[in-house]
Amino acid sequence: QKEVEQDPGPLSVPEGAIVSLNCTYSNSAFQYFMWYRQYSRKGPELLMYTYSSGNKEDGRFTAQVDKSSKYISLFIRDSQPSDSATYLCAMIPGGYQKVTFGTGTKLQVIP
Amino acid sequence: SAVISQKPSRDICQRGTSLTIQCQVDSQVTMMFWYRQQPGQSLTLIATANQGSEATYESGFVIDKFPISRPNLTFSTLTVSNMSPEDSSIYLCSVVGGQGAYSYEQYFGPGTRLTVT
Repeated sequence: QKEVEQDPGPLSVPEGAIVSLNCTYSNSAFQYFMWYRQYSRKGPELLMYTYSSGNKEDGRFTAQVDKSSKYISLFIRDSQPSDSATYLCAMIPGGYQKVTFGTGTKLQVIP
Repeated sequence: SAVISQKPSRDICQRGTSLTIQCQVDSQVTMMFWYRQQPGQSLTLIATANQGSEATYESGFVIDKFPISRPNLTFSTLTVSNMSPEDSSIYLCSVVGGQGAYSYEQYFGPGTRLTVT
């Protein structure tokens, strides 16, 4: 079993839709949870991070962590074609630790 | 944030040859990381490079195959040696966000797309 599981997609949605991206994990030591966005032929860029359980909102993006279920989500409201990218979840036990990445979910937002 | 550049952006190499990938950061950073990204797979950490010390390699990666140099706080190189088609991948350089930041603030270069024929 992989430490982090993420549906590879692709996920195709119409413009304006609410998108839900998810990851499950098995290591209960993970404390920091990140979402990276990777456009084609580019390196990943940090989108959001959260510490422990709870929600964090940034504009159209909301990150949610449920440590009891070992489940994290990224919600994108009012999705735009510019959101079309691969989204990778990532997590670490604490600072200066090795990051464990999911395989990424490819999202396509259709105009 | 840190701005990272990599050279070359892509290359096609023959089996048995070596390629050196350069990573340049616009600020001084303590820790630099080298990752491999293969289609359908998660980012895999190859090694951590600290300035002034030997790189630390992850399980499955060895110095003879992936020698790394870290001559100063803004630059590193990764060499892929004696290449085989299985080495075809995207290689990414990464740094943590500043000397005091935790590793959740990672910044990545644009990657080097390597194809071995």
